[in-house]
Amino acid sequence: GQQVMQIPQYQHVQEGEDFTTYCNSSTTLSNIQWYKQRPGGHPVFLIQLVKSGEVKKQKRLTFQFGEAKKNSSLHITATQTTDVGTYFCAAINFGNEKLTFGTGTRLTIIP
Amino acid sequence: EPEVTQTPSHQVTQMGQEVILRCVPISNHLYFYWYRQILGQKVEFLVSFYNNEISEKSEIFDDQFSVERPDGSNFTLKIRSTKLEDSAMYFCASGDVSNTGELFFGEGSRLTVL
Repeated sequence: GQQVMQIPQYQHVQEGEDFTTYCNSSTTLSNIQWYKQRPGGHPVFLIQLVKSGEVKKQKRLTFQFGEAKKNSSLHITATQTTDVGTYFCAAINFGNEKLTFGTGTRLTIIP
Repeated sequence: EPEVTQTPSHQVTQMGQEVILRCVPISNHLYFYWYRQILGQKVEFLVSFYNNEISEKSEIFDDQFSVERPDGSNFTLKIRSTKLEDSAMYFCASGDVSNTGELFFGEGSRLTVL
């Protein structure tokens, strides 16, 4: 089956430092979504990327979809304590309705 | 803001018992999903449901699992004979456009099988 891997698994950063998580798929994707899950919470949609090479920004968050549509990244500039949580990419393959979540990157912030 | 609601928030059951988890998706959504998350692990797809039938299911979704939309508003997940390894958080999600839009997740139902 499809594999969607994320690295790193855990990231501890000082408040104010930048953070990046990388998502890699074993297959070419139709599109990719990113979700954030706060500790004890549920996944909350952040963004969807559809086009090859697409870059989208949301305030301090920058999302990128690779040219080959097999990888993606999320970069947070100047992290804040509210950024704490696990960030999941979620991949959609052509021809099916299954959203396959990545393994997640758990971000903790040192104040 | 519309939201997906799930009940119960926590269920404790004995191994071998049947469990029904309930979800009320967002009212104008057409696509419904169940996912589960074992503590500390990734979110795993179980099943998708559209037009009153299962559109896709994972290998986890075996004969012990079933889904139903009995009355046009509720969307239920039934586990016929629970096993210890069914202990997890079960998330219901709904979407208005398959494959091309965000999924809205409920807060989850934590199932503990003893």
